[in-house]
Amino acid sequence: AQTVTQSQPEMSVQEAETVTLSCTYDTSESDYYLFWYKQPPSRQMILVIRQEAYKQQNATENRFSVNFQKAAKSFSLKISDSQLGDAAMYFCAYRRETGANNLFFGTGTRLTVIP
Amino acid sequence: DTEVTQTPKHLVMGMTNKKSLKCEQHMGHRAMYWYKQKAKKPPELMFVYSYEKLSINESVPSRFSPECPNSSLLNLHLHALQPEDSALYLCASSRTSGSSYEQYFGPGTRLTVT
Repeated sequence: AQTVTQSQPEMSVQEAETVTLSCTYDTSESDYYLFWYKQPPSRQMILVIRQEAYKQQNATENRFSVNFQKAAKSFSLKISDSQLGDAAMYFCAYRRETGANNLFFGTGTRLTVIP
Repeated sequence: DTEVTQTPKHLVMGMTNKKSLKCEQHMGHRAMYWYKQKAKKPPELMFVYSYEKLSINESVPSRFSPECPNSSLLNLHLHALQPEDSALYLCASSRTSGSSYEQYFGPGTRLTVT
């Protein structure tokens, strides 16, 4: 079974600084997708970034980038130039490439941005 | 349009009531999902519909009854719920083929069972 682990229940970052959120996963599959979702206090889950396992290049979306280490089964999220609006719960999620469509979520990291 | 809508936003119901949660998307997605989320926890998958057919039921009690009337709509019928069923119920949708498998989530329905 796939498991996703986020070992940092809470993190904080100073506004305009950079923070990295950690995620590791366990799978025997070679092809899969990884995602970071953000859930602000208003509760809507928003996709931040995704990574296809077959791609060696790390995904980037504006201030958000990932460090995908397939052999180590690690998928960290880096947020640069942190803004107050980045404060949220961040969930790492795994999806198999074929078969069932469901996501496997980590337990989440609550990010606080300090003005 | 990348929007998934859910109604109602909030729902309070007694243990003997029958109510329904509704979810709608117009992105042409053929997979739709129901999740239950407790405070400070990740979403827990309840049901998956693929091409309007139930493909995954994660051993959810029968007091939760999903329905997919068409490719844009997803309902969750509630009956004889327990206080521990109080949670945020999230709906999501996604494509079923191609490279973009990400799920798009609705804002959720906050359910309180009294």
